[in-house]
Amino acid sequence: NAGVTQTPKFRILKIGQSMTLQCTQDMNHNYMYWYRQDPGMGLKLIYYSVGAGITDKGEVPNGYNVSRSTTEDFPLRLELAAPSQTSVYFCASSQKQGLKQETQYFGPGTRLLVL
Amino acid sequence: GEDVEQSLFLSVREGDSSVINCTYTDSSSTYLYWYKQEPGAGLQLLTYIFSNMDMKQDQRLTVLLNKKDKHLSLRIADTQTGDSAIYFCAESQRDDKIIFGKGTRLHILP
Repeated sequence: NAGVTQTPKFRILKIGQSMTLQCTQDMNHNYMYWYRQDPGMGLKLIYYSVGAGITDKGEVPNGYNVSRSTTEDFPLRLELAAPSQTSVYFCASSQKQGLKQETQYFGPGTRLLVL
Repeated sequence: GEDVEQSLFLSVREGDSSVINCTYTDSSSTYLYWYKQEPGAGLQLLTYIFSNMDMKQDQRLTVLLNKKDKHLSLRIADTQTGDSAIYFCAESQRDDKIIFGKGTRLHILP
C-alpha cells in the first residue's frame, strides 16, 4: 500500500489564483481529513469527510472547498488564494467503525506559498 | 471549548526521561493520541490510548491518562537524540473530529 499520497509537494501561487491539492488513499478508509499547519503551530482541521459523498466543515473552512466523490480521493480546492493561506497542508485518513476509531495516517504534506 | 493544551517547549538531557503533558476539554473523547513530527516531515503516530484505560506502555513510551482531570502525559524513557521532534497530543471527539494541540518541541541536551 502507498498509504496517503498528496500532490503537489510544493507550490507557489499568486494572490487570487486557484488550485486543487490532491489527496488519495489506498487503504479503503472511510474517514478523510484536511489540516493546515502554520509555522510553529499545531494542526487546524479545515474539512473532513466520513464517507464518499459526505463532507463537513472543520475549524477553519473559510476559503476552501472539498469534495468526496470516491472513497479514495479527497481534493481540497482554493478558489482565490490569499497570503493567509500560506501553510503546510496535510491530508489524513482513518477507518472508523462505531465508536472505535482507528489511527489516522498522514500524507507527506503540501507546502503552499501565496505571494 | 475544544482546546487541547500542551506546553510549547521541553529540554531534557540525553539518557533522562522526558515527560510531555497535555490537557483536553472534551470529556466524551474516546481516543487520545500522541504524534511525532520531525523537521520537514508529516505526522507519525507514536501511540494512542482508549479513554477507559489509565495507562499504556509500549517499549520506551508510557502514556498515562487521568480522565477525571482530563490530563494525558507521554513519558519517553532513556531519551535519545533521535527523539528530538515536536510531539502532538490529539483527542478524538464524538462528532468525528480529531483535535490537535499546538505541539511540544522536545530538545535533547548532550
